[in-house]
Amino acid sequence: QQQVKQSPQSLIVQKGGISIINCAYENTAFDYFPWYQQFPGKGPALLIAIRPDVSEKKEGRFTISFNKSAKQFSLHIMDSQPGDSATYFCAASGTGAGSYQLTFGKGTKLSVIP
Amino acid sequence: SQTIHQWPATLVQPVGSPLSLECTVEGTSNPNLYWYRQAAGRGLQLLFYSVGIGQISSEVPQNLSASRPQDRQFILSSKKLLLSDSGFYLCAWSGQAPDTQYFGPGTRLTVL
Repeated sequence: QQQVKQSPQSLIVQKGGISIINCAYENTAFDYFPWYQQFPGKGPALLIAIRPDVSEKKEGRFTISFNKSAKQFSLHIMDSQPGDSATYFCAASGTGAGSYQLTFGKGTKLSVIP
Repeated sequence: SQTIHQWPATLVQPVGSPLSLECTVEGTSNPNLYWYRQAAGRGLQLLFYSVGIGQISSEVPQNLSASRPQDRQFILSSKKLLLSDSGFYLCAWSGQAPDTQYFGPGTRLTVL
């Protein structure tokens, strides 16, 4: 019930291509969906986040698409660059009282090749 | 602006030795604080979280413990380390709305 399933586990994309990472959740009480970017040896950094009242959010080259009925959300990285090579984690949480946890996916290692 | 610090950055400890990792947050008051562990190539496992001084909730039973002696200080401890305690330990904070968490730079712990 608390899982967030993330795919693929790893992804190789050519420079300039589109990177797509997908996540699915089961808990209908989740109402906040952030994505984190982590470079080797560093802590995860918040990249972009969405709430279920919108179906899409875009910040620069990064877009979250959200499908509430399917309980799925995805990260699209347009014009992927070698500097985007990192591990990406999706997460979900319920913001009701007592909801202190972010449930993370297992991560996707993205490699953007020149 | 808010800043989160962790130290040490790296640590190599023998099995059976004690552990103390420290996390401090600047630029905010009464944050929620979290300890996560990340095993090599794997996701993030929540170990402890705290909503206030002296208030600790444990998510995973193990030989680790956490304490919050001050509002913006969070400490992860162990009396006797196990080989399985090796990993990347991350501290995070959030405001009272717990959704957006901000992570520190992490501590790489190797238990030999």
